[in-house]
Amino acid sequence: QSVLTQPPSASGTPGQRVTISCSGSHSNIGTNTVDWYQQLPGTAPKLLIYAYNQRPSGVPDRFSGSKSGSSASLAISGLQSEDEADYYCSAWDDSLNGRFFGGGTKLTVL
Amino acid sequence: QVQLMESGGGVVRPGRSLRVSCAVSGPNFSIYGIHWVRQAPGKGLEWVANIWYDGSQKYYADSVKGRFSIYRDNSKNILFLQMNNVRAEDTAVYYCARGNSSNHLGSFDYWGQGALVTVSS
Repeated sequence: QSVLTQPPSASGTPGQRVTISCSGSHSNIGTNTVDWYQQLPGTAPKLLIYAYNQRPSGVPDRFSGSKSGSSASLAISGLQSEDEADYYCSAWDDSLNGRFFGGGTKLTVL
Repeated sequence: QVQLMESGGGVVRPGRSLRVSCAVSGPNFSIYGIHWVRQAPGKGLEWVANIWYDGSQKYYADSVKGRFSIYRDNSKNILFLQMNNVRAEDTAVYYCARGNSSNHLGSFDYWGQGALVTVSS
């Protein structure tokens, strides 16, 4: 059983809005901040969203994050072909004393 | 501009040791926590270890606890991961990543390009 659970895949057509969920527990998402990372094929991951809903400089405002209880979500609006990538949520877990990533969601732009 | 560059990857036999390094360029290396994250071929990301800005606190994933050791040299802006008694399941690309805080709680705002470690006889 994973500490953070994401759907393995998601898809959408250009211009659509897509949401990726990340389910955890009180000791991780419920207590600590959540980050989202984007990994394009063959490249290192890139920070996309931090502290639930903050975007680093250079990340388009089409990307947004939210949290409700022990779950978090990443939303991508105005979907573009270059958004096709793997997306990972991540949070520290106070009970397990470690950092965890979700299993990753492969986003396909149809 | 902050840049991280890993080195020291390669092929190592099961049960042997390997040390991977991460050279960091840019300001203020000594005030940030640093992490190692790995990715097995075709798999997702797995956090491996963290070290605080001053080396006073370290955290490890259960999968490597007792075998791997993280340490840093702030005078040379370099981070290390000493991997002992390696196993086949340690085969992965190893990334170093800077946390945007001094401890273990920061987000990973800068990443290296990764170093491939292959454990094989």
